[in-house]
Amino acid sequence: QSALTQPASVSGSPGQSITISCTGTNSDVGDYNYVSWYQQHPGKAPKLMIYDVNKRPSRVSNRFSGSKSGNTASLTISGLQAEDEADYYCSSYTSISTFVFGTGTKVTVL
Amino acid sequence: QVQLVQSGGEVKKPGASVKVSCKASGYTFTTYGINWVRQAPGQGLEWMGWISGYNGKTNYAQKFQGRVSMTTETSTNTAYMELRSLRSDDTAVYYCARSPGVYTHFDYWGQGTLVTVSS
Repeated sequence: QSALTQPASVSGSPGQSITISCTGTNSDVGDYNYVSWYQQHPGKAPKLMIYDVNKRPSRVSNRFSGSKSGNTASLTISGLQAEDEADYYCSSYTSISTFVFGTGTKVTVL
Repeated sequence: QVQLVQSGGEVKKPGASVKVSCKASGYTFTTYGINWVRQAPGQGLEWMGWISGYNGKTNYAQKFQGRVSMTTETSTNTAYMELRSLRSDDTAVYYCARSPGVYTHFDYWGQGTLVTVSS
């Protein structure tokens, strides 16, 4: 199972919106609405930000939103803040009953 | 509050085995699953497998089949991951992560356990 494809880096200025893409296949992202997104600060454990494509845990800011079209899922961060600078990973359930993560995206706040 | 507390870092020689523990608290252990995810230095996340907190059923990534064992001890709300025949490329931080269902996401994570494989 190959890793889902994400851009290596995305940047934006404070207050701007950015979008991170996550491209898979019709055996994972395209076939299931079980896409989730994780934020990871250096030296820390990942934190769940979005699940089931577009659901947000209550403890996560509403500046984070998710969507999916075909084999590509997306995470949008609105009103970018300095604390959003981190690595972001997508994940999807797959047709062979496993999970696959994305390659990871480093978000930089300019 | 939900907490997953993992055992401390380990240094192992190639060919050895390592067993990492993950003690859960703040929720009913048997109603959730535990996944194991690893991250090599400077690299991305890699899913290793899942174990049911209810009945101990497991599902391993094909890459680790035959080399990994995941178990639970419901009396102490603890999950274990044992990896055998260690190689240098098994050097990584190993995380346990709770999942509400078989197909879903990972909603709470342990702090991670660094396993270093070196001769």
